Amino acid sequence: EAQVTQNPRYLITVTGKKLTVTCSQNMNHEYMSWYRQDPGLGLRQIYYSMNVEVTDKGDVPEGYKVSRKEKRNFPLILESPSPNQTSLYFCASSLGSMSPLHFGNGTRLTVT
Amino acid sequence: GESVGLHLPTLSVQEGDNSIINCAYSNSASDYFIWYKQESGKGPQFIIDIRSNMDKRQGQRVTVLLNKTVKHLSLQIAATQPGDSAVYFCAETPRAGKSTFGDGTTLTVKP
Repeated sequence: EAQVTQNPRYLITVTGKKLTVTCSQNMNHEYMSWYRQDPGLGLRQIYYSMNVEVTDKGDVPEGYKVSRKEKRNFPLILESPSPNQTSLYFCASSLGSMSPLHFGNGTRLTVT
Repeated sequence: GESVGLHLPTLSVQEGDNSIINCAYSNSASDYFIWYKQESGKGPQFIIDIRSNMDKRQGQRVTVLLNKTVKHLSLQIAATQPGDSAVYFCAETPRAGKSTFGDGTTLTVKP
């Protein structure tokens, strides 16, 4: 089944403890992207990747890192999480940036 | 002047009626637009897309209209069903790689 898989689905952590949210797609998509969704602010783009080893900032990249060493994986790294990064995170992929996105089911992160 | 539908954060319709969800986009350089549906506890799902060289595109029970003059996008759902209840988002692509989502509209379908 074609899908985007994020792990974990839920994560509660403390301020400053490094964490990684994994994202994997099995559709051989070139484009991948991370978003956060907050009440009243909608979906905002964090980082995106047009292809392997090519990443770029979205609208809200501060406090996040990404890497794209392989086509299928696009992990989101929070080196030193803070409470304002408490949010619902979505990973998505598509054939290209001008194609519909396929989203994962989300990761709900709470930073205390 | 031409009337353009307002974006509403919520919309309630009777089952079987047609629904119209509106979206204003911000960047006149955007040339690709998508509508997504998000059900509770899930990620957004693709519904229909349209490129800037078109002003209308139809799918099964859904139609997207694009008015570039006033930077407005609308999604029409025919014969709305209870399973259509969800949050609907429009998205624009102002340049390769970037995507900007609009404020969502929560559609509730009353049986």
